[in-house]
Formats: sequence, C-alpha cells, structure tokens
Amino acid sequence: AQSVTQLGSHVSVSEGALVLLRCNYSSSVPPYLFWYVQYPNQGLQLLLKYTTGATLVKGINGFEAEFKKSETSFHLTKPSAHMSDAAEYFCAVRGSIQGAQKLVFGQGTRLTINP
Amino acid sequence: NAGVTQTPKFQVLKTGQSMTLQCAQDMNHNSMYWYRQDPGMGLRLIYYSASEGTTDKGEVPNGYNVSRLNKREFSLRLESAAPSQTSVYFCASRGTYSNQPQHFGDGTRLSIL
Repeated sequence: AQSVTQLGSHVSVSEGALVLLRCNYSSSVPPYLFWYVQYPNQGLQLLLKYTTGATLVKGINGFEAEFKKSETSFHLTKPSAHMSDAAEYFCAVRGSIQGAQKLVFGQGTRLTINP
Repeated sequence: NAGVTQTPKFQVLKTGQSMTLQCAQDMNHNSMYWYRQDPGMGLRLIYYSASEGTTDKGEVPNGYNVSRLNKREFSLRLESAAPSQTSVYFCASRGTYSNQPQHFGDGTRLSIL
C-alpha cells in the first residue's frame, strides 16, 4: 500500500525567495513519484516525475525534486519564486508494479507568493 | 490538442436528481479514472477502468456508478444526488505503463442543493 504526506497545507514565500514544498511517502514497493500543480479553476498539470535513474528530477517552470530513498522523501524546490507560481501543489505516489493503477495523492499544499 | 475533455463544466442539482458526467480522451489511453476533490482532502479515487470493458471501485465509490463506453469514453453517474456529493469531479487517463503520469481534465463543479 502507498500513502503520501505533504507537510504544510499552506506555504507563503516572498517573490524571489526559495520555494520548498515537502512530501514524504510510504510504499511497500519501489515507488513512482509525481508532483502536480493546480491553478484556480483548472485541472491538475504534471510538473515532474521520478520513475527510475537520476534521483534529481527537473520539471517545468524551473521546479525540481529529489528522490531520497533513505528519507522516503520527494521534496519540491524552486530557487526563486515568481508570482505566477501561486497555485496548489500535489504530491502523488504509485507502486512500481506492472499494471498498478492507483495513484495516491497527498492533501495538497497551497503556495502563496508575496510581492 | 484536446487531451481529456469533461462535460459539463458546472452543474447544479436538487437532492434526489440524477445526472451523468461525461469524459472523453483522445490520447488512445487504456486507463481512465474518476476523482473527487474536496477542500483539505486532496483527490480521492471514485472508480477506475484499467481497460475497455473493465471497471473497479476506488476509495469512495458509494453513490456512484460508471460506464466505460469504449476506449475513449468513461462516464460517471449519480443515481440519486445527495448534498454530500457536492464537489469538483476530475476525470483522468493514462497510457499503458505504470511509470506514465495521469492526464487530467479541467473538472466538473457540481453543487447539490
């Protein structure tokens, strides 16, 4: 079984500051990990994913995440926040079993950018 | 490039009414999903279909039914709507392999009075 915990339902940073959104997961098998972004009144858009290989994954809009197996974490970062980054962010996990269907989501973190 | 299309975008129902939410994808994906999104609860899986002709329950299936009409279309039906089903509903699809991401529609905002 898989589960996801996102630490902090709301995160607020100043424009130009570092963005750090935390995600910890549990999985009984090696995980596939995803970050999605949701802008107001829209669906979820894939930011980045980790499946195998390099543990530092780069995504769209300058975001990146690092898979740390020892810490069961997949935190999302961006060096310099922009006003357009204001949105809700979801971390999700799926087990790496062929045919695995269910994607388990965290509860989301709402990111606010202060001018 | 349509991706996943959901209709309608908004709907208001009275308690006890029925309705069907429609979803279609044009990416030739095998798997399709229905989620509901409620404040502070993330996305919860209602039903999914791993392939044409199969459907399975997710985390919160009570009060819903689904139909995988063909490879493209996956509909969600509320037979007798209840206020607790007021939510935003998202349809998603995914290709064959587990390492592929899900692609989401823009959602249906459903209010039940």
